[in-house]
Amino acid sequence: AQSVSQHNHHVILSEAASLELGCNYSYGGTVNLFWYVQYPGQHLQLLLKYFSGDPLVKGIKGFEAEFIKSKFSFNLRKPSVQWSDTAEYFCAVNAGQAGTALIFGKGTTLSVSS
Amino acid sequence: DTAVSQTPKYLVTQMGNDKSIKCEQNLGHDTMYWYKQDSKKFLKIMFSYNNKELIINETVPNRFSPKSPDKAHLNLHINSLELGDSAVYFCASSPPGTYNSPLHFGNGTRLTVT
Repeated sequence: AQSVSQHNHHVILSEAASLELGCNYSYGGTVNLFWYVQYPGQHLQLLLKYFSGDPLVKGIKGFEAEFIKSKFSFNLRKPSVQWSDTAEYFCAVNAGQAGTALIFGKGTTLSVSS
Repeated sequence: DTAVSQTPKYLVTQMGNDKSIKCEQNLGHDTMYWYKQDSKKFLKIMFSYNNKELIINETVPNRFSPKSPDKAHLNLHINSLELGDSAVYFCASSPPGTYNSPLHFGNGTRLTVT
């Protein structure tokens, strides 16, 4: 069965600091990888996704993520965070085949102080 | 002009009651989902329907019964509510035939069982 691990439960940063959130998954086959963000009181929104091709993917709001197949990782990065990036961040994976659900990690709470 | 809409937004009820949450999407998607987000923000798939047909049914008590009258609607009925059912329930949808497409989430229904 697939699973997703997010190592950082709660990350606290000051504005302009760099961000890296870890995500590892367990599944040996083809996977599709996603990062979602949930701002306080809102629904989940897609930040970025990886299906194939360039392992470094860029998303909205200056976020990027790198797929490292050998490490089963898909870490999220941002060079300089802003107060408005305060949110929950979820890594998600599904197996590259029909009928499989998107499996989420337990999320990382990011708090950015101004 | 909401893409995935859920009603109600908040639902407070007593143990033992039966309640329903409605979900509608106007994106023309074939696949719809119910996810449960617990108090620790962990998101877990409950059900998935593709064109009114159940395709994913995770380990969920049979007190939970999804119903899809057409591919634009996926309702969730819960019988004999328990305290542990308190959570935020998210409906989501994805485009037809593209299991690797991002999910579009509704705003969630916060269910509180007292």
